[in-house]
Amino acid sequence: NAGVTQTPKFQVLKTGQSMTLQCAQDMNHEYMSWYRQDPGMGLRLIHYSVGAGITDQGEVPNGYNVSRSTTEDFPLRLLSAAPSQTSVYFCASKLAGAPNIQYFGAGTRLSVL
Amino acid sequence: AQSVTQPDIHITVSEGASLELRCNYSYGATPYLFWYVQSPGQGLQLLLKYFSGDTLVQGIKGFEAEFKRSQSSFNLRKPSVHWSDAAEYFCAVGARSGGYNKLIFGAGTRLAVHP
Repeated sequence: NAGVTQTPKFQVLKTGQSMTLQCAQDMNHEYMSWYRQDPGMGLRLIHYSVGAGITDQGEVPNGYNVSRSTTEDFPLRLLSAAPSQTSVYFCASKLAGAPNIQYFGAGTRLSVL
Repeated sequence: AQSVTQPDIHITVSEGASLELRCNYSYGATPYLFWYVQSPGQGLQLLLKYFSGDTLVQGIKGFEAEFKRSQSSFNLRKPSVHWSDAAEYFCAVGARSGGYNKLIFGAGTRLAVHP
């Protein structure tokens, strides 16, 4: 049972480049989300999805796009990377209708030069 | 506004010593509370959670936490720390945001363990 899988683990981008961070879960969880982790700030919610075809913004959505075409996958897209997006990104999933037992992936460490 | 405060950014303890990590929250309703641990280069692992009932909750790896409503606190404790406990610890509160139950995290406490 793989749980929540994120790829890649590390990525270096130049300013203005685009890329997609992949997230997949095999637990049939309805809810998925993306957080970013910055020193001294904990984790902050970027975008979330409550089911296939349904997404919404979290606390820090600017510069990021998401889509949810399947229950399993929830990719995060950076259309034009900026140095301020240097961070560690975590994907999480949970069952709908339950208190927040969220399961996290191992993270993607992104550097934007 | 909902928030979580972890007053200690860094804590250093000796192996075998007791540990208490502090967490204070601000939330209008009865909170769902969590402690997660992040080992170096790893994702977040759930240590324990409080939803309701007994205010002293037991978690994995010998950790426990006590919910004190009067103090808006959910401090994490361990009676005897092991070197493998060196990690970053995050307290979080579950909050309703539109149609989603999100987590609001504290800034984290980094624990170092001396042999």
